[in-house]
Amino acid sequence: NAGVTQTPKFRILKIGQSMTLQCTQDMNHNYMYWYRQDPGMGLKLIYYSVGAGITDKGEVPNGYNVSRSTTEDFPLRLELAAPSQTSVYFCASSYSPGDVIMNTEAFFGQGTRLTVV
Amino acid sequence: AQKITQTQPGMFVQEKEAVTLDCTYDTSDPSYGLFWYKQPSSGEMIFLIYQGSYDQQNATEGRYSLNFQKARKSANLVISASQLGDSAMYFCAMREGQGGGGFKTIFGAGTRLFVKA
Repeated sequence: NAGVTQTPKFRILKIGQSMTLQCTQDMNHNYMYWYRQDPGMGLKLIYYSVGAGITDKGEVPNGYNVSRSTTEDFPLRLELAAPSQTSVYFCASSYSPGDVIMNTEAFFGQGTRLTVV
Repeated sequence: AQKITQTQPGMFVQEKEAVTLDCTYDTSDPSYGLFWYKQPSSGEMIFLIYQGSYDQQNATEGRYSLNFQKARKSANLVISASQLGDSAMYFCAMREGQGGGGFKTIFGAGTRLFVKA
């Protein structure tokens, strides 16, 4: 099982460049998330999606955009890269069959280490 | 608004002893789930244990148990019989179940655990 796959694993961007971080899951999970983790810190939620066609902002959405055209894919777009976006980015997915089901853990990708110079 | 607080940046424990990692949370949603994740130095996120807000008993998973005190809004992780492989970063996370926030999950800042031989 591939689980959650993120590409690329490493990337160096110049200030002002744009890029898309790819995330794909093969577990038919309805929920997907993007987090960033700054050095020595916890994870901050950037955007999340509860299903295809539905996305919503998390704690730190500025400077990012997402789309969810399919259940499997949840790409994260950086339009104008800034040094403050240097971080490790994690994509995650989870499954909840109904409103009252909470006990489904998130499965994480291996992360993308992004450096903006 | 959701909030997760981990007040211990770092903890030391002797091998084979038990250790408690603290986590407090804040939410106005009566339905929520609490999670603990482990992040070893390799960077991946590993799910450890889950506690639902309506669960009557504390969750246990092998050497991991969750000391859930709902009135105090705390969800401390207890690791029994610590092993050298337990040295890692540990994150507490919360997912709210209802309201406008959907099912987004937020994380605390983490506690780095060092197990001494």
